[in-house]
This record gives sequence, C-alpha cells and structure tokens, in this order.
Amino acid sequence: EPEVTQTPSHQVTQMGQEVILRCVPISNHLYFYWYRQILGQKVEFLVSFYNNEISEKSEIFDDQFSVERPDGSNFTLKIRSTKLEDSAMYFCASSNRRQGANTEAFFGQGTRLTVV
Amino acid sequence: DAKTTQPPSMDCAEGRAANLPCNHSTISGNEYVYWYRQIHSQGPQYIIHGLKNNETNEMASLIITEDRKSSTLILPHATLRDTAVYYCIVRVRVKTGANNLFFGTGTRLTVIP
Repeated sequence: EPEVTQTPSHQVTQMGQEVILRCVPISNHLYFYWYRQILGQKVEFLVSFYNNEISEKSEIFDDQFSVERPDGSNFTLKIRSTKLEDSAMYFCASSNRRQGANTEAFFGQGTRLTVV
Repeated sequence: DAKTTQPPSMDCAEGRAANLPCNHSTISGNEYVYWYRQIHSQGPQYIIHGLKNNETNEMASLIITEDRKSSTLILPHATLRDTAVYYCIVRVRVKTGANNLFFGTGTRLTVIP
C-alpha cells in the first residue's frame, strides 16, 4: 500500500539554526500538507500546497516557515531560525482528486523536532 | 468552519461495538464529515467520511443524522489495537479543493480487555 514517508524520524537542532524536514508524498497525489503537534496538544494545520504554490496557510505558518517541492517526489518544510517553541511532531500528508472530489489525506509517521 | 463537539473519553469492552458520537450543528450543506484516529503519537489515520448518506468500509460505519447536525462512528468489534484518539472533522472547503483538516481534541477511546 502506498504511504507517505518522512525523514528523519527525529531531529535535534540548536535554537536559531535552520532545519529542513523532508517528506515523500504518495506518488500520484496532487495536494501536500504540513501539520504539527506540540506534545500533549492537538494536531494543527500549517499549510497546504497545490500546483507548485501555497494554497492555504494558518497563522502559525509565519515568515520563519517555507515549503518547497524541489523535484517530482520530495516536499520539504524549512524553518529558518528555530525557536524552542517549534519543538513538536511535524506531520506531512498528501491527497488527490478523483471524479472531481477530493480524496482523503494520508499522513506520514512524523518527524519529531527537538529544539535545544 | 463548522466546529465539532466530541466527548473527551470513552471506554469500550473488547469485542463489543464502539459508538463514538460527534455534534456538528453548524455544518454547511456541502461540507463533509471526516473521521480520523491517532494511535499514540503516530500520524493520523483516515477512517471514513460522508456527506449525507450512511457509509461503511472495512474499518467502520458512519451514521449521519438526517439533519446532518450529528454523526456516530461505529467500530463494530473493537479490539485492543483500536485504542486511540478519534477525531471528527468537518472539512473546510477551499477554492483549490485542498483537503485542509482542522483537528479538535477528539475522543480518547480505551478498549478494555
């Protein structure tokens, strides 16, 4: 069964450093997403990406965040200057369109980012 | 976006049906109801979705009331592996058709041996 894969599974970074989280969405999907979950809190929408541009973003997704699809398979989330409060589990997801309707989103297993 | 209300926690005996309720009284006519679950800290897992009609797949059944203001997710024979947080989400429609999901706090289902 096709799946969304994320690397690394755990990343530790120093405050102020740049970090790039990587995702390989399901190959024929057209929509890509990033979510985050701070420990013990709910899953929060960050951004959706379609047709090589951001479709929608939340208030959390400020200028420190950016997304990119550098090639035909990867989808990345970059945090330019990490803060302690960026420590969270980051989930990538992807979805498709079928018969004019949107299909369900499939999530990866997440990257746990720890900022020290 | 339409908000949902779910009980914070429920218990279910192993082998019995788990019925998880959700209220979404402000749902719009073209908004879908989605159910996801999250086992421990894994990525959310899609379960089922529906618009008006009841739906069934290999994982669960979804019963939506006629006025669409509430729904119930049914796991017909709960197992210990079904212990998870279950999220009822009304999907926000955006122009591009992206499937943006706004999670609430969900219902923590504990299946008891």
